[in-house]
Amino acid sequence: GNSVTQMEGPVTLSEEAFLTINCTYTATGYPSLFWYVQYPGEGLQLLLKATKADDKGSNKGFEATYRKETTSFHLEKGSVQVSDSAVYFCALSDQGSNSGYALNFGKGTSLLVTP
Amino acid sequence: GAGVSQSPRYKVAKRGQDVALRCDPISGHVSLFWYQQALGQGPEFLTYFQNEAQLDKSGLPSDRFFAERPEGSVSTLKIQRTQQEDSAVYLCASSTGPDRGREQFFGPGTRLTVL
Repeated sequence: GNSVTQMEGPVTLSEEAFLTINCTYTATGYPSLFWYVQYPGEGLQLLLKATKADDKGSNKGFEATYRKETTSFHLEKGSVQVSDSAVYFCALSDQGSNSGYALNFGKGTSLLVTP
Repeated sequence: GAGVSQSPRYKVAKRGQDVALRCDPISGHVSLFWYQQALGQGPEFLTYFQNEAQLDKSGLPSDRFFAERPEGSVSTLKIQRTQQEDSAVYLCASSTGPDRGREQFFGPGTRLTVL
C-alpha cells in the first residue's frame, strides 16, 4: 500500500537558518506529492505540490523536488522566518479503488523558528 | 469566497452518546473527503464522496461511523455509541473533482472529546 515517512520533530531553528524536512514515500502507482502546512490555530493548507518525476514545487520560498529514483520529496527553505513556525505534512495521492485520490499523510514535523 | 466550514468546532460527548459533525464544502466542489487526525499524527482517510455518491468508505474504523451527503453539497459524519478511542479531530476537505494532482481545501476541523 501507499505510505509516507517524514522526519520526526520537533525541529528548532534560529531565524535565517536553512531548513530541510525529509520525506520519503512508497506508492504502487504514479502519485502526486504535496506539502501541507498547519499554522497555529489554523487549518491545513497546501504549501506546494509536484505531479510528476523531476517536477519542482515552490511557494513562499519553500521548494521540494519529486525524486522518483529515491522516492523522496524533501522540503527546503534557504532562510526561515519566525512566521514559518508550524507543523508541516508531506502527503501523496494516488488512485486506489474509488478513493477519489484521497491523501496519504505523514505524521507531521513541527518546526519552531526562534528570533 | 468562503472556504470549507465545519461545525461544531468542539464537541464533548459522554461515552455511548451519538454525535453528528457537519461539513459545508466550497460551493460547486464535486469531491468531499473526511479524515480523522489523532493527536500528534497526520490525518487518516475515512471516506470519500463524489457528488452525493459515497464511493469509498474503506477508512471508516467501525460500523458505528456513518457519513452522508444527500444533495451533493453538505455532508454529515455521524458516530454512534461513541468510545474514548474516537477522540480526535475530524477534518473535512473538498476539491473540484477527482484528479491525483488536485488541491484539497480543508476545513478547520471538529475536535471531538469522548469522556
